[in-house]
Amino acid sequence: DAGVIQSPRHEVTEMGQEVTLRCKPISGHDYLFWYRQTMMRGLELLIYFNNNVPIDDSGMPEDRFSAKMPNASFSTLKIQPSEPRDSAVYFCASSFFGTEFYGYTFGSGTRLTVV
Amino acid sequence: QQQVKQSPQSLIVQKGGISIINCAYENTAFDYFPWYQQFPGKGPALLIAIRPDVSEKKEGRFTISFNKSAKQFSLHIMDSQPGDSATYFCAASKWGDDKIIFGKGTRLHILP
Repeated sequence: DAGVIQSPRHEVTEMGQEVTLRCKPISGHDYLFWYRQTMMRGLELLIYFNNNVPIDDSGMPEDRFSAKMPNASFSTLKIQPSEPRDSAVYFCASSFFGTEFYGYTFGSGTRLTVV
Repeated sequence: QQQVKQSPQSLIVQKGGISIINCAYENTAFDYFPWYQQFPGKGPALLIAIRPDVSEKKEGRFTISFNKSAKQFSLHIMDSQPGDSATYFCAASKWGDDKIIFGKGTRLHILP
């Protein structure tokens, strides 16, 4: 299994531009999580889905952030318009809460820099 | 009540020494305590986990100690190696819940 795949790995954009981050979860995992990591705040849960349905988006910082999961194999996190304070590493994680494994599998992240 | 408090923020240990990272939680309903390890440029990965039916779990050089009455748990890395240098996150949840609560992480550096 290729694991959780995120793209792009790095993104540099100008303030005000739209940014779209992409995630392909592990096949068979029915949960998908979007996290943001910064030195100051650590890992912040932004939103998560179960069976493609958003369950909790209380961590989404502002209306500038939106996330979708149109099918079981793809999710996007969009920031529009982007601001310098959005600079962070964004992780996608997927999970299947079975008896043999209980936890998240993270992707390698997208490092976003907004200048 | 949902927080997991982790300490220290950063830790430097000599090669061969013991690295100890501590975590505390408030929610007495939590009954699953995993640790994640993150190397630079990678996402966190599950390292080891414990359920409170045991007070200790050991996997190789990594040991979780759990104190239910104090609501604390810790990660011990024996014979620490430079390859153990990473950020470590403790976490907690109620088994069956879909959300895991993470601590803020500890940056561990092992001196060669």
